[in-house]
Formats: sequence, structure tokens, C-alpha cells
Amino acid sequence: QKEVEQNSGPLSVPEGAIASLNCTYSDRGSQSFFWYRQYSGKSPELIMSIYSNGDKEDGRFTAQLNKASQYVSLLIRDSQPSDSATYLCASDHSGYALNFGKGTSLLVTP
Amino acid sequence: ETGVTQSPTHLIKTRGQQVTLRCSSQSGHNTVSWYQQALGQGPQFIFQYYREEENGRGNFPPRFSGLQFPNYSSELNVNALELDDSALYLCASSPGQGGADTQYFGPGTRLTVL
Repeated sequence: QKEVEQNSGPLSVPEGAIASLNCTYSDRGSQSFFWYRQYSGKSPELIMSIYSNGDKEDGRFTAQLNKASQYVSLLIRDSQPSDSATYLCASDHSGYALNFGKGTSLLVTP
Repeated sequence: ETGVTQSPTHLIKTRGQQVTLRCSSQSGHNTVSWYQQALGQGPQFIFQYYREEENGRGNFPPRFSGLQFPNYSSELNVNALELDDSALYLCASSPGQGGADTQYFGPGTRLTVL
């Protein structure tokens, strides 16, 4: 079973700080990687996708991919209380499914 | 908003019953995937449909079945409900020709099996 692993947290950061969320995956065939945000009781919302090694920035969010280390991360700059949520990392699996981790709970404290 | 809708929002069933959950994808999205999310877990892939044909299936028993219709709507059917089927059921649509393209989730259906 190909796995996506995340630290379940909670990760607590003060408002205005950088939150760093990490994810490892075991399927070396995975080509596409995604970060979703999920508020309690809601459905996952796409934040970022990344396909190539290196960094990809979108506003306060930066995704980082290292295929050699099978490692994906998400940085959230200037964290806000509204960023408090569960962050799900996903990789493509078998060419059609998304394989999700269990998610990391982020708490941004005022 | 993703433009993906699901009905009903909540559902309560008893063990052994059958249930049908519905999803309406974004217009132009020919691929729909269904996921089951148990409490405290990430979504687990059930199956994917592309142009009304099953395109791939996860590790779920045959009592989980689906249909996709030409009007961008789809269904997830679960027979012989078990207590462990209690979960949030999510559909996700994508514009690609099948595959693990960027997927946009609907709001989900919360199923409780008593």
C-alpha cells in the first residue's frame, strides 16, 4: 500500500509567524502533488498543486517538492487565525486516484 | 465555491439498508471521483468515472457502486450498509480525461449508519 505520511499535530504557531507543514510519500511513480485545506465539518479546498522539483509560490503559500527525498512541504507566511484548519497532502496514485495523508491540524493563535 | 454540489447534506440509515448519494459536477468536467472520509482520517478513494465508464477503483467491496450520467451528474450507491460505512462521502470533479488531475470537491454528504 503506497502511503502519504503527515504529522497529525496539532501544530501551533503565533499569528504572523511562518507555519511549516510536511509530508512524505512512498510511491516513487507519483508525479502530481496537492495541498488541500479542510475546515472542521467542511470539504477539502485546493490550495496548491506542484509537479516539478523546487518551490512554487502563490500569495502567502509556498509549496516545495523534492522527488529524490520523496518530500513535499507547504509554508504559510504571515499566518492568520483564519488559517487554522487541517491541511491534507495528496499525491496521484495509479494515474487516476488521489492518495491522501491523514492531515496536519494547524492552530494559529492570536 | 467549486461548482460541485452534493445531496443530501446529511443522512441517517440503519445497518443493512441501501443508500444513494448524488453529485453534480462542474459543467464541462467529464471526470468524477468519489471518496470516503472517516472521522480523523484523510479521504480514501472509492472509484472514478470518466464519460460514464468506471476508470479506476480503490480498495472498496462491490457493494459500493456508482453511475455517471451525460448531464454531469453521478451517483454513489452503497448496499447492505455497515456501521463502519458512517463517514463523510465526497465527490470531486476534474476537467481532465480521467486521471489524477486537479480535483475540486463538493461539500460532501454525512452518512450515519445506526
